[in-house]
Amino acid sequence: DSGVTQTPKHLITATGQRVTLRCSPRSGDLSVYWYQQSLDQGLQFLIQYYNGEERAKGNILERFSAQQFPDLHSELNLSSLELGDSALYFCASSGVTSPGNTIYFGEGSWLTVV
Amino acid sequence: AQSVAQPEDQVNVAEGNPLTVKCTYSVSGNPYLFWYVQYPNRGLQFLLKYITGDNLVKGSYGFEAEFNKSQTSFHLKKPSALVSDSALYFCAVRDKGGADGLTFGKGTHLIIQP
Repeated sequence: DSGVTQTPKHLITATGQRVTLRCSPRSGDLSVYWYQQSLDQGLQFLIQYYNGEERAKGNILERFSAQQFPDLHSELNLSSLELGDSALYFCASSGVTSPGNTIYFGEGSWLTVV
Repeated sequence: AQSVAQPEDQVNVAEGNPLTVKCTYSVSGNPYLFWYVQYPNRGLQFLLKYITGDNLVKGSYGFEAEFNKSQTSFHLKKPSALVSDSALYFCAVRDKGGADGLTFGKGTHLIIQP
């Protein structure tokens, strides 16, 4: 168990809908990362937050947004969903943003868009 | 920009034999290198990392990796494979700036045959 908790584990929704994925980082970790894993794109970095502030952006679509709350949990909001958004979404966390810090991943949230 | 290449989609090894999963990287400065493993329907589990120092890094479950700066490689190795090692393995890199989380390779399926 990495200590990173993600909910829900599985989610099925229709095209055009909006969903929210939730993440609780490991105790004491200030950085939260979101990744998308799909068969065709592999593991793609979406966005990083550090202590409530956006720190880095990767290949995140404009339809997607995220935030990190004062209690350090994070949410990834996916809107106007398309079939191609079906993927496994990972949250990960680490301590201070030193490049040598290990990033620990949650079990992921499986999103199926039908 | 940093990148990682895992040249083999799949590696097949007989149980008890040594295994190697290959990884090469490209970064602008000194690299920080990581290996993760993903079991079916599970999250990414951290195996080991190279930050600096000894080129041979030891990690979880008997795995080790050898950093080779001249060949820009970080191959994952294990002296004697177990059937339970069968999984998807990811190599990842982070440069000294570290602002963008990890950049992952496409992953290598490791299949250990009894």
